[in-house]
Amino acid sequence: DGGITQSPKYLFRKEGQNVTLSCEQNLNHDAMYWYRQDPGQGLRLIYYSQIVNDFQKGDIAEGYSVSREKKESFPLTVTSAQKNPTAFYLCASSIGSSQETQYFGPGTRLLVL
Amino acid sequence: LAKTTQPISMDSYEGQEVNITCSHNNIATNDYITWYQQFPSQGPRFIIQGYKTKVTNEVASLFIPADRKSSTLSLPRVSLSDTAVYYCLVGVYNQGGKLIFGQGTELSVKP
Repeated sequence: DGGITQSPKYLFRKEGQNVTLSCEQNLNHDAMYWYRQDPGQGLRLIYYSQIVNDFQKGDIAEGYSVSREKKESFPLTVTSAQKNPTAFYLCASSIGSSQETQYFGPGTRLLVL
Repeated sequence: LAKTTQPISMDSYEGQEVNITCSHNNIATNDYITWYQQFPSQGPRFIIQGYKTKVTNEVASLFIPADRKSSTLSLPRVSLSDTAVYYCLVGVYNQGGKLIFGQGTELSVKP
């Protein structure tokens, strides 16, 4: 089956800890995205990547970092600098930056202990 | 990027047709209108996309008037499983894929 997978489904972070959320796609899409969703709110863009080894900050990049070493993978690290990390994190991909249709993964819920 | 305005919530009953209207007064010439559906604790799912007039697929219809300053998502004969949040997005293809998700419309379908 083609699609986007995210892991883990739930993730717990301790104070001062960095955690990494995984996102993998086998759709052969060039572009990948990370969004954050808070309860009752829409999605906000954290980072996006249009091509391997290149990525751009979204609207709320502070406290997050990403890498795009492979076309199919776009991991997101939530650093200790992100003071309010509790949220639902969604990864998406699209054929290219010129395509608006994005395909989303199932999400990772991050909770702070 | 064009800002969109949608009702915060809507209620309906099974079997009814539901129309959700989205206002986008500042839509640009190159903008397309896209609707996504999101169930709780899941990622959004693409429903339909259009540029002008009417678009129909197996899930919904999208009506766009000539001035394109608004659009209406029409869901025929809704069922309980259509209870979800519906997002209207307006964007330009060449802006790095950046989509702006507003608060969306929370549709509640009752038996």
